[in-house]
Amino acid sequence: GEQVEQRPPHLSVREGDSAIIICTYTDSATAYFSWYKQEAGAGLQLLMSVLSNVDRKEEQGLTVLLNKKDKRLSLNLTAAHPGDSAVYFCAVRAPPNKVVFGTGTRLQVLP
Amino acid sequence: AQTIHQWPVAEIKAVGSPLSLGCTIKGKSSPNLYWYWQATGGTLQQLFYSITVGQVESVVQLNLSASRPKDDQFILSTEKLLLSHSGFYLCAWDRANQAPLFGEGTRLSVL
Repeated sequence: GEQVEQRPPHLSVREGDSAIIICTYTDSATAYFSWYKQEAGAGLQLLMSVLSNVDRKEEQGLTVLLNKKDKRLSLNLTAAHPGDSAVYFCAVRAPPNKVVFGTGTRLQVLP
Repeated sequence: AQTIHQWPVAEIKAVGSPLSLGCTIKGKSSPNLYWYWQATGGTLQQLFYSITVGQVESVVQLNLSASRPKDDQFILSTEKLLLSHSGFYLCAWDRANQAPLFGEGTRLSVL
């Protein structure tokens, strides 16, 4: 079945710096990719999602890159601020209805 | 707008006692529904999914069961809780080729 690895597990950046999180997956049939943010004690907030035919998507200071050849998905938070501190998860959708999550990255943005 | 509501918000239960967690989605007909489990500090493990009333597929065996008695309702239950059932339970919904959207979760402590 689909395997998803996410790195780094912990990331600390200064306010205004960028933060990059990377996921690699194994199933080339994966059709849908997403990034979520989870704050302490809360559910998951969907940040952005892309279909497999999209290489790059930018929204509100976030950039998602998809490299299908290398089976790699990345999330770039440009100009991070303290409110971005949370745990971030990637998720890949494998047919028919299985969504596999990465192991999470705990991001700390220092003022 | 669609809303997803989970209940209860938190539970403290004894080992061996029964459990029932609920999830309701409003504003969307015939959604795909999911139950996920998250250990403290861990990633999300998909437990069940359902694409229609009365139909539930199990993804992992954790001595839990799920039912979908109505189009907008998903129930997670067990007759006998184990210590290993402690964690955060998240319900989610989506449509085909969309990213799941999550409820706020139920925190379960089994003592």
